[in-house]
Amino acid sequence: SQQGEEDPQALSIQEGENATMNCSYKTSINNLQWYRQNSGRGLVHLILIRSNEREKHSGRLRVTLDTSKKSSSLLITASRAADTASYFCATDNNYGQNFVFGPGTRLSVLP
Amino acid sequence: DTGVSQNPRHKITKRGQNVTFRCDPISEHNRLYWYRQTLGQGPEFLTYFQNEAQLEKSRLLSDRFSAERPKGSFSTLEIQRTEQGDSAMYLCASSWTLGTGNSEQFFGPGTRLTVL
Repeated sequence: SQQGEEDPQALSIQEGENATMNCSYKTSINNLQWYRQNSGRGLVHLILIRSNEREKHSGRLRVTLDTSKKSSSLLITASRAADTASYFCATDNNYGQNFVFGPGTRLSVLP
Repeated sequence: DTGVSQNPRHKITKRGQNVTFRCDPISEHNRLYWYRQTLGQGPEFLTYFQNEAQLEKSRLLSDRFSAERPKGSFSTLEIQRTEQGDSAMYLCASSWTLGTGNSEQFFGPGTRLTVL
C-alpha cells in the first residue's frame, strides 16, 4: 500500500515567499525523509525526522511530523528560483523495510 | 568523485533483449538500493542489499529482474526479455545504516532505459 502521499501535487509561488508541502502516510513509520529532485537529475536528501521527533530545522527548511495524524510538512522559507524542483517524502515501516516514496510535489519558484 | 555512479546513463534496446546496469555506491556504504522511476512519479522501491545480502525485494520485481552485489561493493541490475513497460529511469542509492530503519540515502544520476 502507498505510504507517502504529497499534497499539493504542484505549487507555484513567487521568489521570497514561503512554500509548504504536506505528506500523509498510512502505517506506523520508523522515520520519514524528504528529498528534492531537480528535473532529470538524481534525488538529494534534505532532512530525516524520526518517529519520536516532532520538528527539525535545516537552514531554510523546517519539517514537522505528527504521528497521530500520520502526516508531515516541509516548509521552505524565503524561496529562491533554485528551489524549483520536485519534492518527495519517503517512509519506512517499523522494521525499516518497505521504503516508499510518494508521487511528489512539483514546486515552481518564479523570479 | 566520491558519489554514487551508474552506468550506462542511457540505454536504448529492442523489446526482448536483455540489459544490465551497474551501480557503484559510495565505498564505505553498506546498503545499496535500486529504484525505478517513471515520468511524473516518485521512485518505486525494487530491492536493497545490506553488504552482499539481498534483504528485500518488491513485488514489482518480476522474475525477469535480477540484482546482485557479489562482493558487497558494486551492484548490477539485469532485466531479461525487456518489455516496453520497462522503460523508465533506474536509480541506485547507497547509505551507511546500522540496525533496522533507514538513514540518508545518496542517489546516483540514474540509467534511463528506453525499450523500443
